[in-house]
Amino acid sequence: GQNIDQPTEMTATEGAIVQINCTYQTSGFNGLFWYQQHAGEAPTFLSYNVLDGLEEKGRFSSFLSRSKGYSYLLLKELQMKDSASYLCAALGGTSGSARQLTFGSGTQLTVLP
Amino acid sequence: DSGVTQTPKHLITATGQRVTLRCSPRSGDLSVYWYQQSLDQGLQFLIQYYNGEERAKGNILERFSAQQFPDLHSELNLSSLELGDSALYFCASSAAGTMNTEAFFGQGTRLTVV
Repeated sequence: GQNIDQPTEMTATEGAIVQINCTYQTSGFNGLFWYQQHAGEAPTFLSYNVLDGLEEKGRFSSFLSRSKGYSYLLLKELQMKDSASYLCAALGGTSGSARQLTFGSGTQLTVLP
Repeated sequence: DSGVTQTPKHLITATGQRVTLRCSPRSGDLSVYWYQQSLDQGLQFLIQYYNGEERAKGNILERFSAQQFPDLHSELNLSSLELGDSALYFCASSAAGTMNTEAFFGQGTRLTVV
């Protein structure tokens, strides 16, 4: 089965650092995605982790621990435009038609001035 | 602009009806994915096509079907519509057939069933 948990809401201040956590239970785990979605818009890709460790991409970093079923998205130097929903998604299943991409419900981040 | 085009942007229809949503992937992308996003269930993966063939299937109802044509555009057919089918339907595309890759989303079709 597939299960993704992430906090529903978070609030942070402009210029600060925020960490959005995600835990997952996925059979045949094959990687963890983070997407950003502004209200009324399409999701946009942020990161994909399949190996343990931290991957940094500008102000955004993503971490994965496969043994703990845990990932986080780290956003530095927060800007007002970072206010959005952040979706964690786990890729599971064995292969072919059994592949499943399961999304969490999203974490609504509000950045305050 | 992601390069993925979805039509129509909005659709209002009655229960019991059938609708077709259309998606044109980014130029050169062979994979097309369909997602449903509703307020109570979040973003749900429905189905993936790669170069005309079904590649992966998610939580897609039997009343729903999809296909990918030789020119790589895709259509999602929703039939016997129910009120609960009201949602935002996204199409996404990627170059590869595997799902462990960045996908680019269209702006979505907002379906309202009344």
